[in-house]
Amino acid sequence: DAGVTQSPTHLIKTRGQQVTLRCSPKSGHDTVSWYQQALGQGPQFIFQYYEEEERQRGNFPDRFSGHQFPNYSSELNVNALLLGDSALYLCASSARQGARGVLTFGAGSRLTVL
Amino acid sequence: GQQLNQSPQSMFIQEGEDVSMNCTSSSIFNTWLWYKQDPGEGPVLLIALYKAGELTSNGRLTAQFGITRKDSFLNISASIPSDVGIYFCAGKDGSGNTGKLIFGQGTTLQVKP
Repeated sequence: DAGVTQSPTHLIKTRGQQVTLRCSPKSGHDTVSWYQQALGQGPQFIFQYYEEEERQRGNFPDRFSGHQFPNYSSELNVNALLLGDSALYLCASSARQGARGVLTFGAGSRLTVL
Repeated sequence: GQQLNQSPQSMFIQEGEDVSMNCTSSSIFNTWLWYKQDPGEGPVLLIALYKAGELTSNGRLTAQFGITRKDSFLNISASIPSDVGIYFCAGKDGSGNTGKLIFGQGTTLQVKP
């Protein structure tokens, strides 16, 4: 049973560019959350998608946007990249009902902005 | 906003020793969770706590949900080399939403064989 898969694993971009990160949730999960983890810090909640809609958002600018597809997979888009956007981006999936905060994380996409 | 203070920031211990780390919050949480992250991986859930005062074990790991609902601790008994990693506490409020967790800064554990 595959867990959460993310792609790409690593990527390098320059300031001002745009990036798209992808996530496939664990089988049986219908909810996807995205987190940003800066070096040496804990993950910070970006937003959550359920039924193809953004349900909750953390304290991130609207340069950060997302999408969820009918098969529950999700994308995170970041526009106008800044140096400070360099981080590990984690996707986490859960079952909407009964998960009680239990998330399954992917290994992340490491973004470097030069 | 909500913040979690996790301590200590790092620990370097001898194999076989017991470990204790804790997490405090300025806000009340209805759920406390402990995750472990290995290099190059995402966090993996160790223990979830849902009730104030609850004490839960998972093998050599024991965690407690503080009575005030503003703190939690994690103990690891008889540490082994594979316990090396970063341990994160995380809190969830009672909004019913499953995805938004507030994470601490992490405790880095190193175990000397």
